[in-house]
Amino acid sequence: QVQLVESGGGVVQPGGSLRLSCAASGFTFRDNAMHWVRHAPGKGLEWVAFIGYDAINQYHADSVKGRFTISRDNSKNTLYLQMNSLRTEDTAVYYCARNYYYGSGSYLFDFWGQGTLVTVSS
Amino acid sequence: EIVMTQSPATLSVSPGERATLSCRASQSVSSNLAWYQQKPGQAPRLLIYGASTRATGIPARFSGSGSGTEFTLTISSLQSEDFAVYFCQQYNNWPPITFGPGTKVDIK
Repeated sequence: QVQLVESGGGVVQPGGSLRLSCAASGFTFRDNAMHWVRHAPGKGLEWVAFIGYDAINQYHADSVKGRFTISRDNSKNTLYLQMNSLRTEDTAVYYCARNYYYGSGSYLFDFWGQGTLVTVSS
Repeated sequence: EIVMTQSPATLSVSPGERATLSCRASQSVSSNLAWYQQKPGQAPRLLIYGASTRATGIPARFSGSGSGTEFTLTISSLQSEDFAVYFCQQYNNWPPITFGPGTKVDIK
């Protein structure tokens, strides 16, 4: 069955860096686009970044553009999120999610990991 | 950016009753709208996509309707496992993909 397992979260000071990983199994990772989505305490879900199946297309939310970078290693079935210049407002549970393709223009999420908590605090 | 709003923020319903949740987009998203259910400590689960198509394994008591800017998620007869937070999400105009703030369905 499809499994997405995030790791790499933790406590970091403002201005610091973290790299999140998402290990995928149970499906052909290299054939699927992927996303990162976050959920801050007491707030709604926020889409963070997208990467196409071949890593050619990448998009980031304005709130993280220039600070976060999504990437993937299809040989390792792993998705990454490099987070630099972290701010307190980046504190959230970060989920990796598989893009669900059912036709042109499908950008939604059919499987999600359990999430990894990132806390930015001094 | 398309802004999504949801109402009500909280809906109190008795088991077996019908629940109707609303989602509105700040501009037309055609039928490119999804609904998710999230329980405490769990990842969201896809319920509905294309505004009205149930995802794999989703019970028939969940139904979605609407197009353009107004959407509805209906749970025909609430079961105990349905008490959760429900989010809508548009994917018509992106980036960014945007979510509504959620409707919490709790026990009356």
